[in-house]
Amino acid sequence: KQEVTQIPAALSVPEGENLVLNCSFTDSAIYNLQWFRQDPGKGLTSLLLIQSSQREQTSGRLNASLDKSSGRSTLYIAASQPGDSATYLCAVSGFSGAGSYQLTFGKGTKLSVIP
Amino acid sequence: DAGVIQSPRHEVTEMGQEVTLRCKPISGHNSLFWYRQTMMRGLELLIYFNNNVPIDDSGMPEDRFSAKMPNASFSTLKIQPSEPRDSAVYFCASSLDSRTEAFFGQGTRLTVV
Repeated sequence: KQEVTQIPAALSVPEGENLVLNCSFTDSAIYNLQWFRQDPGKGLTSLLLIQSSQREQTSGRLNASLDKSSGRSTLYIAASQPGDSATYLCAVSGFSGAGSYQLTFGKGTKLSVIP
Repeated sequence: DAGVIQSPRHEVTEMGQEVTLRCKPISGHNSLFWYRQTMMRGLELLIYFNNNVPIDDSGMPEDRFSAKMPNASFSTLKIQPSEPRDSAVYFCASSLDSRTEAFFGQGTRLTVV
C-alpha cells in the first residue's frame, strides 16, 4: 500500500527566504505526482503535476522535482511571500489494484511566511 | 468553467439523520472522486467514478455511506444514518481521466452532533 510522508509538518520562515518542502513515497510505481495548496477552510488548488517520466516542473516561483527511483519529490519556493502561507500537500497517482488509478496524499506541510 | 461545485458548504445535523452531499464536476471530465479530510487521517479516497460508473469504492467506510452518479454532471454522497465520527470535510474532485490533473471543489464541512 502506497504511503506518502511530508516533512516537516510545519515550517515558519521570514519573508524573502527560499525554501524547500519534502515529500517521500514508498512505492516507486507511480504514474504522476501532484503538489497542491490548501488555504484554511478552502479546497485544494493544483500547483504542479509531474509525470513519472519527468524530473521537474516549474511555474513562476515554484519548482517541483521528482526522483522516482528514490521515492522523493521536493517543492522549491523562491523568494517566499506572506501570501504563500498555506498547507502544501503532495499526492502520488498509482494503480490501486482495484482497476483504477488512485491519488494518495501526504498529510501536508503547513507553511507560515512571516512579514 | 466555474470549477467543481459542491453543496452545501456547511452542514450541521443531528446523529441519526440522513445527510446528502452534492457535487457538479467540471464539464467534460470523465473521472469523479469523493474524498474525506480529517486532522487525524488526512485526505482519504472514498469512491471513484469513471464515466458515471463506480470503479473503486474500497474506501467507503461502512454501509451507511453510499454514492451515486446518475449523469455526467452530478454526483451525491449520502450518509444514513449519520454519526458524530462522520464529522469531517468532504471533497469532490474531477479530472479528464484517473491519471490526469485533479481539480477539487471547495468542500462540505459536515458536523454531526
